[in-house]
Amino acid sequence: QQQVKQSPQSLIVQKGGISIINCAYENTAFDYFPWYQQFPGKGPALLIAIRPDVSEKKEGRFTISFNKSAKQFSLHIMDSQPGDSATYFCAASSQGGSEKLVFGKGTKLTVNP
Amino acid sequence: NAGVMQNPRHLVRRRGQEARLRCSPMKGHSHVYWYRQLPEEGLKFMVYLQKENIIDESGMPKERFSAEFPKEGPSILRIQQVVRGDSAAYFCASSPAIDFPQETQYFGPGTRLLVL
Repeated sequence: QQQVKQSPQSLIVQKGGISIINCAYENTAFDYFPWYQQFPGKGPALLIAIRPDVSEKKEGRFTISFNKSAKQFSLHIMDSQPGDSATYFCAASSQGGSEKLVFGKGTKLTVNP
Repeated sequence: NAGVMQNPRHLVRRRGQEARLRCSPMKGHSHVYWYRQLPEEGLKFMVYLQKENIIDESGMPKERFSAEFPKEGPSILRIQQVVRGDSAAYFCASSPAIDFPQETQYFGPGTRLLVL
């Protein structure tokens, strides 16, 4: 019930393409869904987050789509750039994010020039 | 506005020694979370603390691990009698008070522990 499943494990995209990473959860108490970006040797950095009262949130080239009934959410990176190459983690939390984050296992994104 | 600070960034210990990891939250943040990341894995929650209080330690191993967040000073994650399996990256995150609109957790750069 605490698990967050993330796919794919790795993703290779050409520059300018769309990167799509998917996550699914089971715990219906989750009400906060952030995405983190992590570069090698660094800590995770918050990219974008969504709460279940909206189905989509967009910030620049990054969009989260949220499907409450399916308990799924996804990250879309438009116009992917080589600088986007990193590992991306989805996460989920309850109590609006004040509780512990439950992370997916990560997606290693490589954007080829 | 300094972010979450962790030190040391790298720590090497021999089996049986103690490891002490420190975390200073962002200014104005009173909640601290510790996570552990094994190679090629996601982050796993360990413990959630507020000043002088452990709120949730459901992810902490029962033995050898302890955490504190004193009234003054940084939060400390202590690992006694380290074993090779403790080798990992340990990340601290902080967030503002619970009644603040944004409960986002901001992560530090991590401490990479290597046990020889």
